[in-house]
Order: sequence, then C-alpha cells, then structure tokens
Amino acid sequence: EAGVAQSPRYKIIEKRQSVAFWCNPISGHATLYWYQQILGQGPKLLIQFQNNGVVDDSQLPKDRFSAERLKGVDSTLKIQPAKLEDSAVYLCASSLRTSGYNEQFFGPGTRLTVL
Amino acid sequence: DAKTTQPTSMDCAEGRAANLPCNHSTISGNEYVYWYRQIHSQGPQYIIHGLKNNETNEMASLIITEDRKSSTLILPHATLRDTAVYYCIVRVAHGAGSYQLTFGKGTKLSVIP
Repeated sequence: EAGVAQSPRYKIIEKRQSVAFWCNPISGHATLYWYQQILGQGPKLLIQFQNNGVVDDSQLPKDRFSAERLKGVDSTLKIQPAKLEDSAVYLCASSLRTSGYNEQFFGPGTRLTVL
Repeated sequence: DAKTTQPTSMDCAEGRAANLPCNHSTISGNEYVYWYRQIHSQGPQYIIHGLKNNETNEMASLIITEDRKSSTLILPHATLRDTAVYYCIVRVAHGAGSYQLTFGKGTKLSVIP
C-alpha cells in the first residue's frame, strides 16, 4: 500500500515570497491533516479536512496560510507571503476512519527554509 | 486534553529493553494513551494505544498503571533503528474530539551500540 506522498521535499524561499505544498493521502482515507513542525518541537495541527470540507482550522494563520482539498483527495497548503518564522517542516497525514479510534499515517514532510 | 510529561532524553543499549515513561496524572476516564514515534527526517509513526489494560503488538508493549496516571512504553529488544523521538499523547477516542493529536516535545531515545 502506498503511503502519504508529499512534494516538494525541500523548499528554500525568501521572505515575502509565496510557496505551495502538495499532499496525496492514502487511497480511501477521508480525513487529511496538515501539521507544522518547528525544529525541536512536536508537530502542531494547522488544519483538518473531512473529505473536501474543513473540520478544524482554528490554528491556521489565515492571514497568510490557506489550504484546500478539492474533490476530497489531494490537498494543497499555501503560504503567501512567507515570514522567517514559517521555516519548519510541513507534514501531511491521513486517516481512514471518520469516527472512533484514529491512527494517522504521516508523509515524509516538506522542509521549508525562509531566508 | 490531559497534559503529558516525558523525560527529554534517554539512552538504551542495543538489544536491551527500552522503557519510556509518561506521566498523565490528569487523564480522564474516556481518554486513551497513544504513542507515536518520529525517526529523523520522517513523519511520525503510530506505535500503540490503550485505555486501561496493558497492550502488546509487534512493535511494543504499553503498560498503564492501575490509577491510569502514568504509563510506560516498552521496546523489548531495542535496535539502532529504534533511535527516534517518542511522543506520548492522551486523547479521547470517540466523538468530535477524537481526530486530533496534540504532540508535546517527546522523549529522544538514543540506542547505543
């Protein structure tokens, strides 16, 4: 079974530029998550989708971050404009079940460096 | 969610059992204990979860104290590939709040040859 795919794996941009990350979850997984992981810390949830609807985006900095999951499959996370403090690894995860216990499967992440 | 406390780092000799503690003294009756680990440059990986009974799978064992205020993840025969950050997470398993995981800083386990 293929895992969660993410691209690109690495990205370097200058502050105030825009960047987009792509995630392809495991086939059939209804729930998709985006996390931000700053160096030395655990992942922090940014947004959760159930199919193509947003379940929770309370921790997403909406003035600069946006995410979409068209057709309930792939997802894109965008930052516009980027700040230095956005340097982090952006992780995508997916899960199968829509209720009950929830094992999340994570992709390898995209490492973003903002100069 | 109940707060968890884990040691910052631990060492374990290769081939020996690694015992990773987690304190969750404010855990409520409907909250489960989950363990994930994150190997360097990879995303987190699910290990095991439990409510109050001890659990075992092919990766590890989870021992939860009778009062449920603490737990221990046991890797019975640690290998170099077990070197990772281990996260203990407490969360309800059902209902609207069951989907999200709140990660702390975890325990950095180093398996020494």
